Amino acid sequence: KQEVTQIPAALSVPEGENLVLNCSFTDSAIYNLQWFRQDPGKGLTSLLLIQSSQREQTSGRLNASLDKSSGRSTLYIAASQPGDSATYLCAVSPSSSGSRLTFGEGTQLTVNP
Amino acid sequence: NAGVTQTPKFRILKIGQSMTLQCTQDMNHNYMYWYRQDPGMGLKLIYYSVGAGITDKGEVPNGYNVSRSTTEDFPLRLELAAPSQTSVYFCASSPGTSKNEQFFGPGTRLTVL
Repeated sequence: KQEVTQIPAALSVPEGENLVLNCSFTDSAIYNLQWFRQDPGKGLTSLLLIQSSQREQTSGRLNASLDKSSGRSTLYIAASQPGDSATYLCAVSPSSSGSRLTFGEGTQLTVNP
Repeated sequence: NAGVTQTPKFRILKIGQSMTLQCTQDMNHNYMYWYRQDPGMGLKLIYYSVGAGITDKGEVPNGYNVSRSTTEDFPLRLELAAPSQTSVYFCASSPGTSKNEQFFGPGTRLTVL
């Protein structure tokens, strides 16, 4: 059974700092990995999707990397801003069916002005 | 495009009552999903569908039923509400091809008393 772990569970940083969020998964046979952002009381917004054949994806100040063999992904946020404060969720889908997502419990990020 | 829409946004049920959570997507996606999120936790898959007339169980299907008569709609039915079903319910959809990125609705917050 696939298990997804995110470390740390919570992170507080000053504005402007570069930071890394970590995601690990137990079964390396994945189809893709998605990073989501969730604001309090809101739904999920897709940030980045990395297919199993890819090593990284970039969008603006965000960069996500994938190392399938070690079962790890990182989300790098450059020059953090207070508006980045949210919970960040990592999810993987199995290679047998590129649809069902298994989620981690998330990292709650607070960026202080 | 409205994307994925869910109704209602909030609902309080008494133990034993029944209700249907509505989900509609206007992106012509083949795949649709229902997840639940308990406080401080990641999302868990309840049911999913790969096309009209096809549904399958996810990780936590007990106490729920679904149907998929059209591409656009994927309602979730709770027959006999229990306090353990107090949660936030998210519907999602994905194209079912290529990257198969999932897009989420805003959620329904359900409380069973």
